[in-house]
Amino acid sequence: GAVVSQHPSRVICKSGTSVKIECRSLDFQATTMFWYRQFPKKSLMLMATSNEGSKATYEQGVEKDKFLINHASLTLSTLTVTSAHPEDSSFYICSARDKAFSNQPQHFGDGTRLSIL
Amino acid sequence: AQSVTQPDIHITVSEGASLELRCNYSYGATPYLFWYVQSPGQGLQLLLKYFSGDTLVQGIKGFEAEFKRSQSSFNLRKPSVHWSDAAEYFCAVGYTGGFKTIFGAGTRLFVKA
Repeated sequence: GAVVSQHPSRVICKSGTSVKIECRSLDFQATTMFWYRQFPKKSLMLMATSNEGSKATYEQGVEKDKFLINHASLTLSTLTVTSAHPEDSSFYICSARDKAFSNQPQHFGDGTRLSIL
Repeated sequence: AQSVTQPDIHITVSEGASLELRCNYSYGATPYLFWYVQSPGQGLQLLLKYFSGDTLVQGIKGFEAEFKRSQSSFNLRKPSVHWSDAAEYFCAVGYTGGFKTIFGAGTRLFVKA
């Protein structure tokens, strides 16, 4: 089945650093990828929709300059948390839509646990 | 506005007992409906989906869900729960041409021996 790989699975870094998270569709092309944030014991909150070759669409309340999204190819989207602070600590999950099957549900990565000290 | 409600924050059932997780949605058109399961520290796995057609949908791991338009519900059921079913379950609705998905708050399932 369709596989989405997310890397790294866990990252711990100091406050003020920038962290990049990669989301790759391994066996399909994804024109659209989504980035979610999940707080402990909470649901997934959509942060942004990433479209290949164009700017990402951010949800209301999500800081564009804080969470930089790049979708340079049909198989890769990256989320960079810039100048990360402890309040950015969270579980980040990406998902991707298969270009060939646009009416099918998204395929999810396994998530990245980000901890800012 | 679109919304998904899972009224039960957590549910505890005995192993072998039946299970029903509730989900209600609010959406102006015919929705795409999903149930996902998430184990601790993991991503989401799709259990089943409804787009159209038969309102009783079969999924993986012995789960099924029934779409009831009149009640705006999409409840998840399983006739006999196994200890390995303990996890967080999310109901979700997909909408718009961009196929955004919004999630319910989730229901944590505990299984007791």
